[in-house]
Amino acid sequence: GESVGLHLPTLSVQEGDNSIINCAYSNSASDYFIWYKQESGKGPQFIIDIRSNMDKRQGQRVTVLLNKTVKHLSLQIAATQPGDSAVYFCAELNSGNTPLVFGKGTRLSVIA
Amino acid sequence: DTAVSQTPKYLVTQMGNDKSIKCEQNLGHDTMYWYKQDSKKFLKIMFSYNNKELIINETVPNRFSPKSPDKAHLNLHINSLELGDSAVYFCASSQVSNEKLFFGSGTQLSVL
Repeated sequence: GESVGLHLPTLSVQEGDNSIINCAYSNSASDYFIWYKQESGKGPQFIIDIRSNMDKRQGQRVTVLLNKTVKHLSLQIAATQPGDSAVYFCAELNSGNTPLVFGKGTRLSVIA
Repeated sequence: DTAVSQTPKYLVTQMGNDKSIKCEQNLGHDTMYWYKQDSKKFLKIMFSYNNKELIINETVPNRFSPKSPDKAHLNLHINSLELGDSAVYFCASSQVSNEKLFFGSGTQLSVL
């Protein structure tokens, strides 16, 4: 299930189940979105990106869905594995020399 | 063959001291960045440089001075360190400005 704790929102899933991590972005003019994975003690690692002219993009075991109407982005991870345990960030970009803006992050815990 | 490398990994120092963090990327990217991650995992842009020129400076105190001797290096010098500077600092680079950033493994700065 999903819970909002004192710090990061946490999503706990059983190994082998599918995970869905959600992100609400703030700027309706944003036209590029990225998902990053950050493992403990490491830097954020690029997972997948999507531009605003698409509503779905698939990678290896991951799918990103974009709903521009409600400014919502989601990351779906199929057959979640213990190695997927990490903090996941969405980031949005309004093209130009504006910086990439990161969301607050969601901690994914995989239960073996 | 690390893509974005930053040193040191850990930095513990007293208030008032001056310290530097070094960053190098061997990806041939044109743009480099410094991000700050606080204790709640929130990632915020500090600076970005494109081909050694400052592009973004996000209201960072002038005690922080980035220096880019060439496009493969972006160092961060911090004067008169304060307790609130304690955080993890990430260097990153990208080929296209603000898209698909590659992050280093971070420098955990603790100011005592």
